[in-house]
Amino acid sequence: DADVTQTPRNRITKTGKRIMLECSQTKGHDRMYWYRQDPGLGLQLIYYSFDVKDINKGEISDGYSVSRQAQAKFSLSLESAIPNQTALYFCATSGTGTGSDTQYFGPGTRLTVL
Amino acid sequence: GDSVTQMEGPVTLSEEAFLTINCTYTATGYPSLFWYVQYPGEGLQLLLKATKADDKGSNKGFEATYRKETTSFHLEKGSVQVSDSAVYFCALNYGGATNKLIFGTGTLLAVQP
Repeated sequence: DADVTQTPRNRITKTGKRIMLECSQTKGHDRMYWYRQDPGLGLQLIYYSFDVKDINKGEISDGYSVSRQAQAKFSLSLESAIPNQTALYFCATSGTGTGSDTQYFGPGTRLTVL
Repeated sequence: GDSVTQMEGPVTLSEEAFLTINCTYTATGYPSLFWYVQYPGEGLQLLLKATKADDKGSNKGFEATYRKETTSFHLEKGSVQVSDSAVYFCALNYGGATNKLIFGTGTLLAVQP
């Protein structure tokens, strides 16, 4: 079984709809991240969480919110989706201490906003 | 600020050719350097990493050496296979309290039989 899972894998929605993307991990890591990938732009950090009570904005947090429901679960919400949020979204995790600089990624969610 | 620059793709090679994908970085400190690979339709997988100057990361026949003097971390493989076709991302991270990965824009590699 995959260590980092994301649901759904694909989603098509309409402008103005609320969308939630979910991420779960079995790696036992404290730290979780949400990234967005656009063609030709690499990955950009949306939000990150170093533990259940710690949530931080990344480079491109506008239009997004997150919830860390448990150590293993980190959800990303688009309160009112817009077409330029069409992208590939990745969740990632990392541990603490030695090796904490290495992040492990889920398979991604492809989101299309019409 | 810190940044990563990769060579533009796509890179198209024949099977068994030698591969180099260039990566240079700008950093205010001494980060760890990474190569991630994204196969078609999949997420990013860690390919290799190096944590300090002159370290060499290696995995699956790929290698990259952390060159502080040239601020580079070029990816190489002696003989590519069709199954190596993917997008390759160079990245840096300081770990610790910030632990933010900074990615290059990715390089698409297409290997033809």
